[in-house]
Amino acid sequence: GNSVTQMEGPVTLSEEAFLTINCTYTATGYPSLFWYVQYPGEGLQLLLKATKADDKGSNKGFEATYRKETTSFHLEKGSVQVSDSAVYFCALKSNFGNEKLTFGTGTRLTIIP
Amino acid sequence: EPEVTQTPSHQVTQMGQEVILRCVPISNHLYFYWYRQILGQKVEFLVSFYNNEISEKSEIFDDQFSVERPDGSNFTLKIRSTKLEDSAMYFCASNTGRDEQYFGPGTRLTVT
Repeated sequence: GNSVTQMEGPVTLSEEAFLTINCTYTATGYPSLFWYVQYPGEGLQLLLKATKADDKGSNKGFEATYRKETTSFHLEKGSVQVSDSAVYFCALKSNFGNEKLTFGTGTRLTIIP
Repeated sequence: EPEVTQTPSHQVTQMGQEVILRCVPISNHLYFYWYRQILGQKVEFLVSFYNNEISEKSEIFDDQFSVERPDGSNFTLKIRSTKLEDSAMYFCASNTGRDEQYFGPGTRLTVT
């Protein structure tokens, strides 16, 4: 079945540091890939997505590239801010008709000034 | 901006009791979902619901669970007889079908 393996947290960085959160997946066919973010006290929000190999999703300075050869979708940001502190979830959706999302465990990111 | 809402934000119940978790999806959405996250573990799919019936459910979604859309706005998850291992954060989500899923803030269920 489908699965997502995500970098264990928590991750603590200083402001303006470079961020990478690793995500790899196992799936049949060509799934769509997502990063969701959960800010304190809020629901899961879509951060970015990619629907086919070599697509790059980007939003709010975050980027992730769909790498089929390494089955990865690592999240990166060049210069993090305190406001980026949140929990980040990698997820995939099979493109065989069903709509359910398969999530990773989430990575808690804390940015210190 | 429209959003998915969930009530209550935190529910504490005793083992064996019934609980109902409530969600109000975005008004023009047609597909509805429940997920849960046990503390420190993955967010897991429970069930999807479309056209007033379950379209898919996971192994977790056994006979103790049920979902209902009792009116045009609410979408509920009922657990008939709660167990300690049902303690988790429960997320509701909705979408039009092909777009992203929009999630609510979650209900934290604590079974004692």
